[in-house]
This record gives sequence, C-alpha cells and structure tokens, in this order.
Amino acid sequence: EVQLVQSGAEVKKPGESLKISCKGSGYSFISYWIGWVRQMPGKGLEWVGIIYPGDSDTRYSPSFQGQVTISADKSISTAYLQWSSLKASDTAMYYCARSPTVVNGWFDPWGQGTLVTVSS
Amino acid sequence: QSVLTQPPSASGTPGQRVTISCSGSSSNIGSNTVNWYQQLPGTAPKLLIYNNNQRPSGVPDRFSGSKSGTSASLAISGLQSEDEADYYCAAWDDSLNGRVFGGGTKLTVL
Repeated sequence: EVQLVQSGAEVKKPGESLKISCKGSGYSFISYWIGWVRQMPGKGLEWVGIIYPGDSDTRYSPSFQGQVTISADKSISTAYLQWSSLKASDTAMYYCARSPTVVNGWFDPWGQGTLVTVSS
Repeated sequence: QSVLTQPPSASGTPGQRVTISCSGSSSNIGSNTVNWYQQLPGTAPKLLIYNNNQRPSGVPDRFSGSKSGTSASLAISGLQSEDEADYYCAAWDDSLNGRVFGGGTKLTVL
C-alpha cells in the first residue's frame, strides 16, 4: 500500500525554527514528486512547493519562495518542509502528497497532515 | 483570492445531481489538465478526478469531471449524505509556474 506518514503536531514560538517530515512507503520514493500544501484554519488549500527526491529538483510557489525550504533524504524515503524563523501566520495544517509529474500531475495519496501552531 | 474560481457553496437532496464549476484562464485550465479533490470534515484531501475526467480506482462512477476551454466541472449524481464535504479543483498555472487550487466549494446534502 502506498502511504505517506507525516510527523506529529508542533507548537512553537515566533522566531523559532521547525522541520516537519513526510515518510513514503510502498513505492519507489525516488520516482515520484512530493508536494506540500498548506491549509490555514478554516481556509482552502494552497500549493507550497514540490520536490523530486531522485535529484532534489525543487520548485516553489512564488508566495512561499524564500519563506520555507523543501528538502528530501532519499536514503530514508523522507521529505521535509522547514522554516528558519516562524511567524504566527505560519499556523496551519500542512499536508504532503505524492505526484507523478510536476506540471500536469495530481496529488495522490496525501499524508495525514501536520498541524503547526505558532504562538507566543 | 484564488486563481481558480469556485462557488463557495452548493447543495442538493439525496439522489439529486449537482455540479460544481471551476473557472480559470488560458494560463491554467485553458492549457493544462484539471484535478478534483474531496475533503471530508477533519480529514486530509483525497483525489477524486485527475486528467480532467479520469477516476482513480475506488472512486464511484457517480463522480465525473469535464473541461471546456478555461472552465471545468465536477458532477455528482445520485447524491448521498456521505458526499457532504469540501471540493477543490486544481491545475498547473504556466504564468505562476506552479499549481493553483480553487477556493473550494462546500457541498451540503439537505
């Protein structure tokens, strides 16, 4: 079974750093893209960016470029989303999802989500 | 404000057919494929339709997708109470060089 399992919920203070993870199993991790999607409380879905673990090719949404870093460690089939200095506005649920391609691809399956809460 | 425009809400009674629209432009829907996702309350989104009108295995044939020009639609026939969820369309945008989502449509089964 293809599965993406994300790390647990996080509570952080503004200015702190954070790295959340997404571990893939049941398929060739290096052969598919892994994307990240943000969902702020009560709001819709926003595309953050996407990485190809095979060669670490990474693309970012213009809205998130410079705000987050996406990386992957293919040796342990895990992708990451990280912040160097969190803001209260980063409070959201973050999902990872697998995609066969960058452009005309689709997200399937999705991870269960990681809730990030940033509050002083 | 989302790049793809969806109605914020839709409703229907059990057994009815409902459609949800998704309007875009030549840089997204007009030149790329559309996908649809269903998000049940408190859960992660799930792929419903890919490549405009393809259903993943396990998705009932009550769900269908179509695309024409710069717009797309999701149709749900034989509406059931368990279809009550948020529905999102998505596509690649050539101008933004990234994927874009619609704002989502909350479907209520009356």
